[in-house]
Amino acid sequence: DAKTTQPPSMDCAEGRAANLPCNHSTISGNEYVYWYRQIHSQGPQYIIHGLKNNETNEMASLIITEDRKSSTLILPHATLRDTAVYYCIVSDPGSSNTGKLIFGQGTTLQVKP
Amino acid sequence: GAVVSQHPSRVICKSGTSVKIECRSLDFQATTMFWYRQFPKQSLMLMATSNEGSKATYEQGVEKDKFLINHASLTLSTLTVTSAHPEDSSFYICSARVTVKRGGELFFGEGSRLTVL
Repeated sequence: DAKTTQPPSMDCAEGRAANLPCNHSTISGNEYVYWYRQIHSQGPQYIIHGLKNNETNEMASLIITEDRKSSTLILPHATLRDTAVYYCIVSDPGSSNTGKLIFGQGTTLQVKP
Repeated sequence: GAVVSQHPSRVICKSGTSVKIECRSLDFQATTMFWYRQFPKQSLMLMATSNEGSKATYEQGVEKDKFLINHASLTLSTLTVTSAHPEDSSFYICSARVTVKRGGELFFGEGSRLTVL
């Protein structure tokens, strides 16, 4: 079973920041937080991941709370092409058992003009 | 990012035939690859973990004799759907881990859509 909870859907205006929340209250010390997105009929696309520090790359920023029980993915300037299903996943890559990525239902982000 | 390629992207076959899907890591070596299946309007479901040089590990409820996985090299894993039936029609996606260091993100292939008539 997925270890994360996400809202099923969100809307965002084009050009504005999209903030996607994720709860992972049972996360363990070795588990990272990963974010992927899937555009219809394509394979998931890696966005960003982190352990406990906030992370930023060319696509997004990841804010992880100090207790690591929740995180927020931020798309700073959403475009129509960012419309997709966003998945938040926790996983320990060093574990043969928990190193797998188990997908939940994700958040369907709709970016509107 | 790292590139994972799947082939074929689409395949249509008759009921009772077998279909092989290839997953290649193009610019890195992957000791572990994962196979997922996705039905319409549903999330990805992990089917099995493919380990180079050893037997695959299947998730509960996935028939290992029906979904044969071979990971013969560090850059290639194959999934064979044997004696396919219409209920096996689905979107099959593979992924590979670049490295365990720094979190070891997985990269996914483009997916292979199987239609069984």
